[in-house]
Amino acid sequence: GQQLNQSPQSMFIQEGEDVSMNCTSSSIFNTWLWYKQDPGEGPVLLIALYKAGELTSNGRLTAQFGITRKDSFLNISASIPSDVGIYFCAGQLRMNYGGSQGNLIFGKGTKLSVKP
Amino acid sequence: GAGVSQTPSNKVTEKGKYVELRCDPISGHTALYWYRQSLGQGPEFLIYFQGTGAADDSGLPNDRFFAVRPEGSVSTLKIQRTERGDSAVYLCASSQLRDTRAFFGQGTRLTVV
Repeated sequence: GQQLNQSPQSMFIQEGEDVSMNCTSSSIFNTWLWYKQDPGEGPVLLIALYKAGELTSNGRLTAQFGITRKDSFLNISASIPSDVGIYFCAGQLRMNYGGSQGNLIFGKGTKLSVKP
Repeated sequence: GAGVSQTPSNKVTEKGKYVELRCDPISGHTALYWYRQSLGQGPEFLIYFQGTGAADDSGLPNDRFFAVRPEGSVSTLKIQRTERGDSAVYLCASSQLRDTRAFFGQGTRLTVV
């Protein structure tokens, strides 16, 4: 099936640091979304992106829809302890006729932990 | 309701038994999705509904899995003859018509022993 390659798989953060993660694919996507999941909970939507090149912010989070339509980036500025969790990228695949596949394809996640 | 609600939150069943997992979507959301999440993985698509009909069931792993949404609101995911490999968190999400933003419930953790 279609794959989304999300990196890094895990990273450690210190309070105040900026964090970056990305998602790439060999296929073109019409929509990119970023979710955060805490233990025992479902994913929570952070940001949705709809157009190539789009840059959208939600507080300290900024995400971009890559101009090739095959990648997306998420940045977290001035991280705080509650940023810890697993971040997932997800996308709607572009179909041959130009429309979108109905379901979302997810990456494997980036786990953010606090530096020991 | 205010959010997507899934019941039960945890289910332990014996191998070979039948289970039903329920999802109450956000009120007014016409699209409903089922995903399965294994430990350390992202959610994997199973099936999605537009209204009462299954628009895409290509993610269902085999014919032991079936889902219904008879009135276009609540959905039930049904698993027959459960196997240990079915153990996972089953997530439900919903969205408005033509809106790609899907909102998830807290999931049902299924354990087959």
